[in-house]
Amino acid sequence: DSGVTQTPKHLITATGQRVTLRCSPRSGDLSVYWYQQSLDQGLQFLIQYYNGEERAKGNILERFSAQQFPDLHSELNLSSLELGDSALYFCASSVATESSYNSPLHFGNGTRLTVT
Amino acid sequence: DAKTTQPNSMESNEEEPVHLPCNHSTISGTDYIHWYRQLPSQGPEYVIHGLTSNVNNRMASLAIAEDRKSSTLILHRATLRDAAVYYCIDLASGSRLTFGEGTQLTVNP
Repeated sequence: DSGVTQTPKHLITATGQRVTLRCSPRSGDLSVYWYQQSLDQGLQFLIQYYNGEERAKGNILERFSAQQFPDLHSELNLSSLELGDSALYFCASSVATESSYNSPLHFGNGTRLTVT
Repeated sequence: DAKTTQPNSMESNEEEPVHLPCNHSTISGTDYIHWYRQLPSQGPEYVIHGLTSNVNNRMASLAIAEDRKSSTLILHRATLRDAAVYYCIDLASGSRLTFGEGTQLTVNP
């Protein structure tokens, strides 16, 4: 058990809809990362938050947004969903500061999103 | 974007050592080399990380070349539970947080 909790585990929705994925990091971890993994693909980095503020942005679509709350949990919002958004979405957390990565990333077990 | 390169797949026999290579062609001096593995239907799991020196932990050993352009993850005695996709990544800020395709390790009984 990594200590990172993601909900829901599975989500099925229709094209054009909006969903919210939730992540609770390990206790004490200030950094939260979101990743997207499509079928047989690698892990695409979407966005990182550190202590409530956005710190790094990857290939995140404009239809996607995220935030980290004062209690350090994070939410990833996906809107105007398309069939191609079907994927596993992983959250990871670490104690890393904004400028050093001398600590492991701990991943949750993901949310499987299916857009029909 | 910085990117590591790994073989797509490797095979090993149970209880034999496995050496998984990774090239870090664009690594910078302060980037840490991390290794993770992912079992089917699970999130990636941290294996080991290091900066310049070789590192050992209960799961594996990490050998880092002197110029840091390559690293090798060593599983000393492969088990069937080690069959997974193994990712190496030089973690750095910004866009260099994307993982590559990884190496699919098959362990034969």
